[in-house]
Order: sequence, then structure tokens, then C-alpha cells
Amino acid sequence: TQLLEQSPQFLSIQEGENLTVYCNSSSVFSSLQWYRQEPGEGPVLLVTVVTGGEVKKLKRLTFQFGDARKDSSLHITAAQPGDTGLYLCAGVSYNNNDMRFGAGTRLTVKP
Amino acid sequence: EPEVTQTPSHQVTQMGQEVILRCVPISNHLYFYWYRQILGQKVEFLVSFYNNEISEKSEIFDDQFSVERPDGSNFTLKIRSTKLEDSAMYFCASSRTDRRNTGELFFGEGSRLTVL
Repeated sequence: TQLLEQSPQFLSIQEGENLTVYCNSSSVFSSLQWYRQEPGEGPVLLVTVVTGGEVKKLKRLTFQFGDARKDSSLHITAAQPGDTGLYLCAGVSYNNNDMRFGAGTRLTVKP
Repeated sequence: EPEVTQTPSHQVTQMGQEVILRCVPISNHLYFYWYRQILGQKVEFLVSFYNNEISEKSEIFDDQFSVERPDGSNFTLKIRSTKLEDSAMYFCASSRTDRRNTGELFFGEGSRLTVL
């Protein structure tokens, strides 16, 4: 069973700051997704990355898939209070097609 | 925009009681899932359903759990005899393709189950 380690677990920053959160594993993924979850709601898909080294941008969010497809990062530029939430990565294992979620990074952006 | 809807949003039940959680997946999706999230913990896979049968289930999905698609729209999760440790947020999700292909899931807002 592959483990997805997300770091940091908690992050509290001021509005306007930049941040990066990470999703790491020893397993290779055929695809990796980032979701955002707000309290009391279900996860909402942000992006899917498939190709090693791939970079995708979603407004102020930049997602990168590692060259070896074992890790990913999410960078937020000029964070806003509306970015507050739990950011989850989920990966589909290349070896056994198993899909797992990480525990998430809980981001708080203070005005 | 199409969305996954779930009912009830919150259910409180006594230990040992049966609970049915309902979901209406996105209409052109073919794969349906239940996940759960115990407060403050990971999103955990329970079961996937395709072509009117279970295609995959986790070790959490024991004999107390069952799923059904009784008509063309609803997808239900039944817990026969609830335990305290079943208290969690239960999320229904659907996808156009097998989650193991792309992992792109569309989640409902969840049903919070509290077992007393």
C-alpha cells in the first residue's frame, strides 16, 4: 500500500504571501490529483497531472508533477482568505491501480 | 453545473440501528463510490460500483455495509447495525471513467453520521 505524505500538515499565513505544499511517496503514480475541501463539504477536484515533469496552472495555483511521478507540489501565489481549506492529494498507483488520498495540508490565510 | 447530491446532510442514530445514506450521482457518470472521513482523518475508500455490481471494496467495507442502485438515479449505502466507530462523514462520488484510470472524482457534500 503506497503512502502519500503531505507536508506541512498545517500552514497559517497572511494574505498576499506565497506558499508551497508537498505530496510525496515512494511509489510511482500513473496520475495524481489535487483536491480542495472546505469544512463540512466534499473534496473538489482542482487538477489532474499525468506526465512526469508536468506543470499546470490554475489562476494563482501552480501544480507540478515530479519527473519520476512520485511526488507533486502545489504553489499558491499571493494567497487570499478564500484559499483557506484542506488541500488533498490523491494518487493512482502505477503498479496496482490502487488510489489513495493523503491526509492533507490545512491552509489558513489570514486577512 | 451537474453535481452529486446526497441526503440526509446529517443523521443521528442509536447504536445498532440501520442507516441508509442516499446519493444521486452525476447523470452521465458510470462509476460510483462511497468514501468516508472520520473527523480530522483521511478520506478513506469504501467501495466502488459499476455496471450494477461492486467492482472494488476496501477492508473497511465489511458485511455490515451494502450498496445498491435501486433505480436509474439513486445510489445508496446501507449500514445494517451501526457502531460508534461508524460515526463519520460519508461522501458519495462519481466519475465518467474508472477512478483508477484518471482519479478524477466528483464528490457530493457528504452525509454526516453520528452514532450514539
